[in-house]
Amino acid sequence: AQKITQTQPGMFVQEKEAVTLDCTYDTSDQSYGLFWYKQPSSGEMIFLIYQGSYDEQNATEGRYSLNFQKARKSANLVISASQLGDSAMYFCAMREGRIGNQFYFGTGTSLTVIP
Amino acid sequence: DAGVIQSPRHEVTEMGQEVTLRCKPISGHDYLFWYRQTMMRGLELLIYFNNNVPIDDSGMPEDRFSAKMPNASFSTLKIQPSEPRDSAVYFCASSFWGLAGERETQYFGPGTRLLVL
Repeated sequence: AQKITQTQPGMFVQEKEAVTLDCTYDTSDQSYGLFWYKQPSSGEMIFLIYQGSYDEQNATEGRYSLNFQKARKSANLVISASQLGDSAMYFCAMREGRIGNQFYFGTGTSLTVIP
Repeated sequence: DAGVIQSPRHEVTEMGQEVTLRCKPISGHDYLFWYRQTMMRGLELLIYFNNNVPIDDSGMPEDRFSAKMPNASFSTLKIQPSEPRDSAVYFCASSFWGLAGERETQYFGPGTRLLVL
Protein backbone atom coordinates (compact mmCIF):
# COMPACT_ATOMS: atom_id res chain seq x y z
CA ALA A 1 0.00 0.00 0.00
CA GLN A 2 1.12 3.51 -0.71
CA LYS A 3 2.30 5.39 2.35
CA ILE A 4 1.30 8.76 0.88
CA THR A 5 -1.48 9.29 -1.65
CA GLN A 6 -2.08 12.47 -3.57
CA THR A 7 -5.08 11.96 -5.81
CA GLN A 8 -5.03 15.28 -7.67
CA PRO A 9 -2.45 15.22 -10.47
CA GLY A 10 -3.33 18.77 -11.46
CA MET A 11 -5.27 21.64 -9.95
CA PHE A 12 -6.22 25.11 -11.14
CA VAL A 13 -7.09 28.08 -8.97
CA GLN A 14 -7.95 31.68 -9.65
CA GLU A 15 -5.51 34.22 -8.31
CA LYS A 16 -6.43 35.46 -4.81
CA GLU A 17 -8.63 32.46 -4.10
CA ALA A 18 -7.93 29.61 -1.71
CA VAL A 19 -7.10 26.09 -2.82
CA THR A 20 -6.87 22.76 -1.00
CA LEU A 21 -4.42 20.07 -2.04
CA ASP A 22 -5.30 16.62 -0.78
CA CYS A 23 -3.03 14.15 0.96
CA THR A 24 -3.85 10.91 2.71
CA TYR A 25 -1.36 8.72 4.50
CA ASP A 26 -1.07 5.19 5.74
CA THR A 27 0.78 4.24 8.89
CA SER A 28 0.32 2.12 11.96
CA ASP A 29 2.79 4.18 13.96
CA GLN A 30 1.49 6.44 16.70
CA SER A 31 4.29 8.94 16.19
CA TYR A 32 4.83 10.39 12.77
CA GLY A 33 5.33 13.69 11.02
CA LEU A 34 3.76 15.11 7.88
CA PHE A 35 5.47 17.59 5.60
CA TRP A 36 4.60 19.58 2.53
CA TYR A 37 7.14 20.69 -0.06
CA LYS A 38 6.86 22.99 -3.05
CA GLN A 39 8.80 22.39 -6.25
CA PRO A 40 8.64 25.31 -8.70
CA SER A 41 9.63 24.93 -12.32
CA SER A 42 13.21 25.79 -11.39
CA GLY A 43 13.37 22.40 -9.70
CA GLU A 44 14.36 23.02 -6.10
CA MET A 45 12.40 21.42 -3.28
CA ILE A 46 11.21 23.95 -0.73
CA PHE A 47 9.90 22.95 2.69
CA LEU A 48 6.56 24.62 3.47
CA ILE A 49 4.93 23.25 6.59
CA TYR A 50 5.03 20.47 9.17
CA GLN A 51 2.36 18.69 11.23
CA GLY A 52 3.18 16.27 14.02
CA SER A 53 0.94 13.37 14.86
CA TYR A 54 0.56 14.60 18.43
CA ASP A 55 -0.07 18.22 17.52
CA GLU A 56 -3.52 19.23 18.67
CA GLN A 57 -3.77 22.26 16.47
CA ASN A 58 -3.47 22.51 12.73
CA ALA A 59 -0.15 23.91 11.59
CA THR A 60 -0.02 27.30 9.91
CA GLU A 61 2.81 29.12 8.15
CA GLY A 62 1.78 32.39 6.59
CA ARG A 63 -0.63 31.65 3.75
CA TYR A 64 -0.16 27.91 4.23
CA SER A 65 -2.19 25.86 6.63
CA LEU A 66 -2.57 22.17 7.12
CA ASN A 67 -6.00 20.64 7.61
CA PHE A 68 -5.05 17.65 9.74
CA GLN A 69 -7.73 15.01 10.29
CA LYS A 70 -6.05 12.22 12.18
CA ALA A 71 -8.95 9.79 12.22
CA ARG A 72 -9.27 10.06 8.46
CA LYS A 73 -5.48 10.02 8.01
CA SER A 74 -5.55 13.11 5.89
CA ALA A 75 -3.25 16.12 5.88
CA ASN A 76 -4.51 18.54 3.28
CA LEU A 77 -2.59 21.69 2.42
CA VAL A 78 -4.61 24.87 2.19
CA ILE A 79 -3.13 27.84 0.36
CA SER A 80 -5.02 31.05 0.95
CA ALA A 81 -5.01 34.08 -1.34
CA SER A 82 -3.23 32.27 -4.16
CA GLN A 83 -0.51 34.11 -6.02
CA LEU A 84 0.96 33.49 -9.45
CA GLY A 85 4.18 32.41 -7.76
CA ASP A 86 2.32 29.54 -6.12
CA SER A 87 2.20 27.72 -9.44
CA ALA A 88 4.36 24.65 -8.79
CA MET A 89 4.35 20.97 -7.91
CA TYR A 90 3.42 20.23 -4.32
CA PHE A 91 4.53 17.10 -2.53
CA CYS A 92 3.19 15.62 0.67
CA ALA A 93 5.61 13.51 2.71
CA MET A 94 5.60 11.51 5.91
CA ARG A 95 8.29 10.60 8.36
CA GLU A 96 7.23 7.46 10.15
CA GLY A 97 8.12 6.77 13.73
CA ARG A 98 11.45 7.57 15.28
CA ILE A 99 13.61 4.96 13.66
CA GLY A 100 15.39 5.33 10.37
CA ASN A 101 14.32 8.88 9.61
CA GLN A 102 13.09 7.83 6.19
CA PHE A 103 10.65 10.08 4.38
CA TYR A 104 7.89 8.79 2.12
CA PHE A 105 6.76 11.12 -0.66
CA GLY A 106 3.54 11.28 -2.63
CA THR A 107 3.40 11.64 -6.39
CA GLY A 108 2.69 15.33 -6.20
CA THR A 109 0.01 17.76 -7.35
CA SER A 110 0.65 20.32 -10.04
CA LEU A 111 -0.97 23.63 -9.12
CA THR A 112 -1.56 26.34 -11.69
CA VAL A 113 -2.69 29.77 -10.56
CA ILE A 114 -4.72 31.58 -13.20
CA PRO A 115 -4.52 35.39 -13.38
CA ASP B 1 24.11 29.54 5.88
CA ALA B 2 25.04 27.43 2.92
CA GLY B 3 22.43 24.88 2.00
CA VAL B 4 23.00 21.45 0.54
CA ILE B 5 25.47 21.75 -2.31
CA GLN B 6 25.39 19.45 -5.32
CA SER B 7 27.68 19.23 -8.28
CA PRO B 8 27.53 19.21 -11.16
CA ARG B 9 24.20 20.93 -11.71
CA HIS B 10 23.92 19.49 -15.21
CA GLU B 11 25.58 16.46 -16.71
CA VAL B 12 25.33 15.15 -20.25
CA THR B 13 27.11 11.92 -20.98
CA GLU B 14 27.07 9.02 -23.37
CA MET B 15 25.79 5.58 -22.61
CA GLY B 16 28.43 3.43 -20.99
CA GLN B 17 30.31 6.27 -19.35
CA GLU B 18 30.85 6.58 -15.63
CA VAL B 19 28.97 9.37 -13.90
CA THR B 20 29.78 10.72 -10.44
CA LEU B 21 27.42 13.04 -8.62
CA ARG B 22 28.59 14.90 -5.55
CA CYS B 23 26.89 16.25 -2.49
CA LYS B 24 27.92 18.37 0.46
CA PRO B 25 25.29 18.28 3.22
CA ILE B 26 24.51 21.08 5.61
CA SER B 27 27.13 21.23 8.32
CA GLY B 28 26.02 19.39 11.45
CA HIS B 29 23.42 17.27 9.72
CA ASP B 30 23.73 13.58 10.47
CA TYR B 31 21.43 12.16 7.80
CA LEU B 32 22.02 12.27 4.06
CA PHE B 33 19.61 11.07 1.40
CA TRP B 34 19.92 10.48 -2.33
CA TYR B 35 16.73 10.69 -4.43
CA ARG B 36 15.98 10.31 -8.10
CA GLN B 37 13.10 12.15 -9.76
CA THR B 38 11.55 11.30 -13.11
CA MET B 39 8.21 12.06 -14.69
CA MET B 40 7.32 8.39 -14.82
CA ARG B 41 8.36 7.30 -11.32
CA GLY B 42 8.19 10.51 -9.34
CA LEU B 43 10.57 10.99 -6.41
CA GLU B 44 12.36 7.80 -5.40
CA LEU B 45 14.62 7.32 -2.41
CA LEU B 46 17.78 5.57 -3.54
CA ILE B 47 19.83 5.36 -0.36
CA TYR B 48 20.34 7.16 2.90
CA PHE B 49 23.13 7.46 5.43
CA ASN B 50 23.24 8.16 9.14
CA ASN B 51 26.55 9.34 10.53
CA ASN B 52 28.21 8.34 7.27
CA VAL B 53 26.90 4.76 7.47
CA PRO B 54 24.48 3.50 4.81
CA ILE B 55 21.22 2.60 6.51
CA ASP B 56 18.96 1.58 3.64
CA ASP B 57 20.04 1.08 0.05
CA SER B 58 17.01 -0.91 -1.04
CA GLY B 59 16.09 1.83 -3.49
CA MET B 60 19.31 1.56 -5.47
CA PRO B 61 18.16 0.31 -8.89
CA GLU B 62 20.93 -2.15 -9.57
CA ASP B 63 24.60 -2.84 -9.18
CA ARG B 64 25.48 -0.09 -11.59
CA PHE B 65 24.66 2.36 -8.84
CA SER B 66 26.86 2.89 -5.81
CA ALA B 67 27.02 5.55 -3.12
CA LYS B 68 29.63 6.45 -0.56
CA MET B 69 29.95 8.86 2.30
CA PRO B 70 33.60 8.95 3.33
CA ASN B 71 33.05 11.74 5.84
CA ALA B 72 30.32 13.92 7.30
CA SER B 73 30.70 16.60 4.69
CA PHE B 74 30.79 14.69 1.43
CA SER B 75 28.92 11.99 -0.43
CA THR B 76 29.03 10.61 -3.95
CA LEU B 77 26.57 8.71 -6.10
CA LYS B 78 28.21 6.84 -8.94
CA ILE B 79 26.65 5.21 -11.97
CA GLN B 80 28.86 2.87 -13.92
CA PRO B 81 28.09 2.19 -16.71
CA SER B 82 25.39 4.75 -17.33
CA GLU B 83 22.33 4.02 -19.48
CA PRO B 84 19.74 6.31 -21.11
CA ARG B 85 17.11 5.18 -18.59
CA ASP B 86 19.24 6.71 -15.83
CA SER B 87 18.37 10.16 -17.15
CA ALA B 88 16.70 12.00 -14.29
CA VAL B 89 17.17 14.70 -11.70
CA TYR B 90 19.16 13.43 -8.74
CA PHE B 91 18.63 15.18 -5.44
CA CYS B 92 20.70 15.05 -2.32
CA ALA B 93 19.03 16.02 0.95
CA SER B 94 20.22 16.23 4.52
CA SER B 95 18.57 16.44 7.91
CA PHE B 96 19.36 16.47 11.58
CA TRP B 97 17.74 14.47 14.35
CA GLY B 98 18.13 17.03 17.05
CA LEU B 99 16.13 18.57 19.83
CA ALA B 100 13.22 19.11 17.49
CA GLY B 101 13.33 15.42 16.71
CA GLU B 102 10.66 14.37 14.28
CA ARG B 103 9.95 17.99 13.39
CA GLU B 104 13.21 18.29 11.58
CA THR B 105 12.66 18.56 7.86
CA GLN B 106 14.91 17.42 5.07
CA TYR B 107 16.76 20.14 3.22
CA PHE B 108 17.22 19.47 -0.46
CA GLY B 109 20.03 20.46 -2.73
CA PRO B 110 19.32 22.04 -6.12
CA GLY B 111 19.62 18.69 -7.89
CA THR B 112 21.76 17.37 -10.72
CA ARG B 113 20.04 17.03 -14.07
CA LEU B 114 21.55 13.98 -15.75
CA LEU B 115 21.06 13.18 -19.41
CA VAL B 116 22.50 9.96 -20.75
CA LEU B 117 22.56 9.82 -24.54
